[in-house]
Amino acid sequence: DVKVTQSSRYLVKRTGEKVFLECVQDMDHENMFWYRQDPGLGLRLIYFSYDVKMKEKGDIPEGYSVSREKKERFSLILESASTNQTSMYLCASLPGTAYNEQFFGPGTRLTVL
Amino acid sequence: GDSVTQMEGPVTLSEEAFLTINCTYTATGYPSLFWYVQYPGEGLQLLLKATKADDKGSNKGFEATYRKETTSFHLEKGSVQVSDSAVYFCALSDPTQGGSEKLVFGKGTKLTVNP
Repeated sequence: DVKVTQSSRYLVKRTGEKVFLECVQDMDHENMFWYRQDPGLGLRLIYFSYDVKMKEKGDIPEGYSVSREKKERFSLILESASTNQTSMYLCASLPGTAYNEQFFGPGTRLTVL
Repeated sequence: GDSVTQMEGPVTLSEEAFLTINCTYTATGYPSLFWYVQYPGEGLQLLLKATKADDKGSNKGFEATYRKETTSFHLEKGSVQVSDSAVYFCALSDPTQGGSEKLVFGKGTKLTVNP
């Protein structure tokens, strides 16, 4: 079974802190994604990566950056956390073939105080 | 751009009731369509999918048919169980929009099934 793990289930940070959310997948998938999930807004794509060191902006990249130094790991970085970044963050991975399902991690609920 | 619209929730049903969650989409090409489910405290998992018009996806008693003429992909189940309580997301991927890898999600519909 494909496994996507995220470093924390719950995280509490203070405004202005630098925050790292880590995601690891064990199936050698080319593509990885970061979403945020908010009530009434569904899932919105922040960034995605289709190869090591490659990244593309999604729909809401402002205030975020990403890093993919190894194929299995995709990190989301909040350079200076703000209260409006309080949300559920979901990581997903996808094989290179079109039309396959994305595999999701359990999510990290981030609260910024 | 592409978009997905699904019925607003929450939806509350009694066990063994019939379920329909409506989903319509807008896409410029020929998208693949998906239903994902999120159980409480978990990430999303694929429930079913359809890759071309008139395809029917099915899994765990749930079904959805890709209707190109009505741009719809409604989710149905004949008899829901308490264990079906979850949030359901309709989604599409459209290879004409700069990469088949990206998913566009609806806002989600929360289903609660009471015993």
